Amino acid sequence: GAGVSQSPRYKVAKRGQDVALRCDPISGHVSLFWYQQALGQGPEFLTYFQNEAQLDKSGLPSDRFFAERPEGSVSTLKIQRTQQEDSAVYLCASSSGDSSSPLHFGNGTRLTVT
Amino acid sequence: QQPVQSPQAVILREGEDAVINCSSSKALYSVHWYRQKHGEAPVFLMILLKGGEQMRHEKISASFNEKKQQSSLYLTASQLSYSGTYFCGTYDYGGATNKLIFGTGTLLAVQP
Repeated sequence: GAGVSQSPRYKVAKRGQDVALRCDPISGHVSLFWYQQALGQGPEFLTYFQNEAQLDKSGLPSDRFFAERPEGSVSTLKIQRTQQEDSAVYLCASSSGDSSSPLHFGNGTRLTVT
Repeated sequence: QQPVQSPQAVILREGEDAVINCSSSKALYSVHWYRQKHGEAPVFLMILLKGGEQMRHEKISASFNEKKQQSSLYLTASQLSYSGTYFCGTYDYGGATNKLIFGTGTLLAVQP
């Protein structure tokens, strides 16, 4: 079937605007992860869902970041009042289960805050 | 705690071999390896499990030393297509969550 789909592919926001990034995981995958990747760096963990439950949000940089997965499928990462330091690629990944299952990544959303 | 990879970068000629190391300060139960090409998403290579066998992906193999809390990725007879940044990933078993933490990354450039 189809892989992980993210939209939009690119997003330019003016400082202070709110943005919403969408992730459509592989059908049936219970685990969903959001990562932030700055230029030249590795992916940094943001948050993790198991079905609709957000089990870990320890990586969210501030209370301006909010993620949801209300029906256990599609997830949205929302960033309120964007700042320049929020500029990065936001990667979504899904997996079928536990730590022995590989993560399948989407192509990411490149966010640029001007 | 983020796993540390070495070297940070390596340049090879086609056909040469390379080793990438991944070290953790925490006990390891599994190690993932991913490759990311410029402008693309990370792509899964293999998973090594505690007590499991050495794994292979084409001419790339990996080992897992639980006692030393280390994993190594071996690239044999490198090809141009091997170029990219390699990340190891280890699970942080904290509380109710199993989150994959990526290492510092190793940039590999294979030249003709």
